[in-house]
Amino acid sequence: EVQLVQSGAEVKKPGESLRISCKGSGYSFTSYWISWVRQMPGKGLEWMGTIDPSDSYINYSPSFQGHVTFSADKTISTAYLQWSSLKASDTAMYYCARDTTAFGVVIMYFFDYWGQGTPVTVSS
Amino acid sequence: DIQMTQSPSSLSASVGDRVTITCRASQSISSYLNWYQQKPGKAPKLLIYAASSLQSGVPSRFSGSGSGTDFTLTISSLQPEDFATYFCQQSYRTLGYTFGQGTKLEIK
Repeated sequence: EVQLVQSGAEVKKPGESLRISCKGSGYSFTSYWISWVRQMPGKGLEWMGTIDPSDSYINYSPSFQGHVTFSADKTISTAYLQWSSLKASDTAMYYCARDTTAFGVVIMYFFDYWGQGTPVTVSS
Repeated sequence: DIQMTQSPSSLSASVGDRVTITCRASQSISSYLNWYQQKPGKAPKLLIYAASSLQSGVPSRFSGSGSGTDFTLTISSLQPEDFATYFCQQSYRTLGYTFGQGTKLEIK
């Protein structure tokens, strides 16, 4: 069974650093990219970027470039999202999702498995 | 950036109704369009990919259509478990993904 299991809820102060994780199981971790998605309280979904765990190629959304860092450790099938200095505006639910490529008449991309989400609260 | 605009933002309907949600892209995205369902406190769930392909395990009352800039998600006969928020997503990977703002489907 394919699963993405994320680390638990975090409560941090502004200026603190944080790293959250997303562990894949039930599939070949290096065969699929991992995307990160932010959902602020009561709001919609925002794609933050994607990482290829096989070679750590990264594509950040321009909206998040420079504010977050992605990484992956393929030896333990885990992707990470980190901040060096949190802001109150980083308060949100963060999801990882398996970024799947489907080969048909044309190549298609979609998020077919999602982690359960990691709630992050940043407050003084 | 490709912008995705969903309509309506919210919708009230009854069990058994046929419902259509629209998603419009700011430029042509061919069939690079996915639909997700999200229930409160849960992660999104993939319903439709490549504009019209039904994800495995998703009931056949869900269908998708469209190409280019205009897309629709149709639920043929609403069931109680379908009341949720629906998001479209353009999936031109090289340009980065973008979600629509969401459509909240509520019970009338």
